[in-house]
Amino acid sequence: DGGITQSPKYLFRKEGQNVTLSCEQNLNHDAMYWYRQDPGQGLRLIYYSQIVNDFQKGDIAEGYSVSREKKESFPLTVTSAQKNPTAFYLCASSATGASETQYFGPGTRLLVL
Amino acid sequence: SQQGEEDPQALSIQEGENATMNCSYKTSINNLQWYRQNSGRGLVHLILIRSNEREKHSGRLRVTLDTSKKSSSLLITASRAADTASYFCATDAAGNTGKLIFGQGTTLQVKP
Repeated sequence: DGGITQSPKYLFRKEGQNVTLSCEQNLNHDAMYWYRQDPGQGLRLIYYSQIVNDFQKGDIAEGYSVSREKKESFPLTVTSAQKNPTAFYLCASSATGASETQYFGPGTRLLVL
Repeated sequence: SQQGEEDPQALSIQEGENATMNCSYKTSINNLQWYRQNSGRGLVHLILIRSNEREKHSGRLRVTLDTSKKSSSLLITASRAADTASYFCATDAAGNTGKLIFGQGTTLQVKP
């Protein structure tokens, strides 16, 4: 059963804490993306990776970090420097790049305690 | 940077009616895509139209692209209650930036 998975579904962060959101795909896609969605808004790109061991900042990268050590995995860390992290986070992948269809995971909702 | 802007922001229709959503963008594009999002879920790809195409169909969906006006429309015919969702356009700017830019979305409610 091919697809893209995200965990956890809900995540709670305390003040000053770093948290990591997981994203895994078994579609053999080269490119992976992280988006942030605020209520009633569109998606904003945080980071993207077009190939293993390489990634680029998106439009709102401050306060976030990523790694791409394996083709199938693209974890996102929300650091304590991100002062307003409450949002819905979506991970996506595509075969080769942005010109292709992106396949999305079910999302992780991050809440601040 | 916001490339795509959608209109209307919200649309409410009766089941069986047609729904039309519009998307405008600012720069030249390679292609334009439409996605659907049910509340609290991930996005699902609906259709991709390339810059050299003018119209594309998929089931009850019809997408048009006018590159001279930098606009696209998504038409859903004979709508159903299950079509209730948010719909987003996304553009891949010419020049192979490696990323999609999403619009703010149109929220469609189809009343049974």
